[in-house]
Amino acid sequence: KAGVTQTPRYLIKTRGQQVTLSCSPISGHRSVSWYQQTPGQGLQFLFEYFSETQRNKGNFPGRFSGRQFSNSRSEMNVSTLELGDSALYLCASRPRVGSVPYEQYFGPGTRLTVT
Amino acid sequence: GQQLNQSPQSMFIQEGEDVSMNCTSSSIFNTWLWYKQDPGEGPVLLIALYKAGELTSNGRLTAQFGITRKDSFLNISASIPSDVGIYFCAGQPIQPTSGTYKYIFGTGTRLKVLA
Repeated sequence: KAGVTQTPRYLIKTRGQQVTLSCSPISGHRSVSWYQQTPGQGLQFLFEYFSETQRNKGNFPGRFSGRQFSNSRSEMNVSTLELGDSALYLCASRPRVGSVPYEQYFGPGTRLTVT
Repeated sequence: GQQLNQSPQSMFIQEGEDVSMNCTSSSIFNTWLWYKQDPGEGPVLLIALYKAGELTSNGRLTAQFGITRKDSFLNISASIPSDVGIYFCAGQPIQPTSGTYKYIFGTGTRLKVLA
């Protein structure tokens, strides 16, 4: 079974631009979560989607948004990029909210650099 | 964002030695996950724990779900050079809101193995 895939793997953007990242979960997984990872803050939860609905949200500004499609694929968008948005953005999937097991599997991440 | 206390932050060990690391929290968790992350890659799930007191092994790795539900431990026996990386714990609080689930991550333990 293929793992979680994320595209693109690397991205360089300029301050003020916007960016869209894509995530395809493991086949059969319906829950997708997004995380931001930086050396200073570690892994920070952005939001979780299940059945095309945002189910949970972390403490990030409204510039960070996401959506999920009927095939469970998810996109994350960051508008008006700031230098501090430079990070590794990780997507993780699991079978469904509330199921057992609760294992969550990560993709390889998208490395975003804002200049 | 909320994070778990993970220790040690980093450690250098000799090849063949055993390694121990732990995560603690002031909150009660109903699930603990342990991940390993290599540079530039997403975290890879190592072990999942669901019950207080549970002890689970995965090859040379053994993890335990603390009886108090507020901590977890990971042990690596007979370390080898490829064990190098950052190890993260992740806990799922026992009181999810609105049926949603959000993992909280530890700050990571950076392991370096000296051959």
